[in-house]
Amino acid sequence: QVQLMESGGGVVQPGRSLRLSCAASGFTFSSYAMHWVRQAPGKGLEWVAVISYDGSDKYYADSVKGRITVSRDNSKSTLHLQMNSLRAGDTAVYYCARDSGYEYIWGIYMDYWGQGTLVTVSS
Amino acid sequence: DIQMTQSPSSLSASVGDRVTITCRASQGISNYLAWYQQKPGKVPKLLIYSASTLQSGVPSRFSGSGSGTDFTLTISSLQPEDVSTYYCQKYNSAPYTFGQGTKLEIK
Repeated sequence: QVQLMESGGGVVQPGRSLRLSCAASGFTFSSYAMHWVRQAPGKGLEWVAVISYDGSDKYYADSVKGRITVSRDNSKSTLHLQMNSLRAGDTAVYYCARDSGYEYIWGIYMDYWGQGTLVTVSS
Repeated sequence: DIQMTQSPSSLSASVGDRVTITCRASQGISNYLAWYQQKPGKVPKLLIYSASTLQSGVPSRFSGSGSGTDFTLTISSLQPEDVSTYYCQKYNSAPYTFGQGTKLEIK
């Protein structure tokens, strides 16, 4: 069965960096685009970033552009989110989610989600 | 960028009621719309995609409709387990924006 497990969250000071990871299993990771979605405490869902199945294309929300980088290691079935210059407004649970498309057809809805990892930006 | 606006923001209804949630896109998105359900303290779950196609395993009391800019999610007969926040999401192109959510409670 499809499993996605995020890790790397924690408490970090403003201005510092953090790298999140998402370990995937139960499907051919290298054939699916992957998304990051975040949810601030008590707030709604905010789409953050997507990376194509082969890592050649990436898109970001305006709110994180220039500070966050999505990457993937298909040999390890792992997705990453490098977050720099963190702000209080980045405090959220970060979910990785699988795109429902397959290889060349991607950028669609999200059919599987991980349990999320909490990032708290605070001094 | 296209904005997604849901209404109402919150809703209280009785068991057995027909419930409708609306999602409006600021520009046309054809039928590239998904609905997600997030129960309290849980991970979001895909309910509907392509505006009206039910994801496998989702109860048939859920349905979706619409195209272009106006979309609806309908629960034909509200059940206690439907207490959740519901989100629409566009996926015609990046950014894959979500609506602000509709919190559904039982009266």
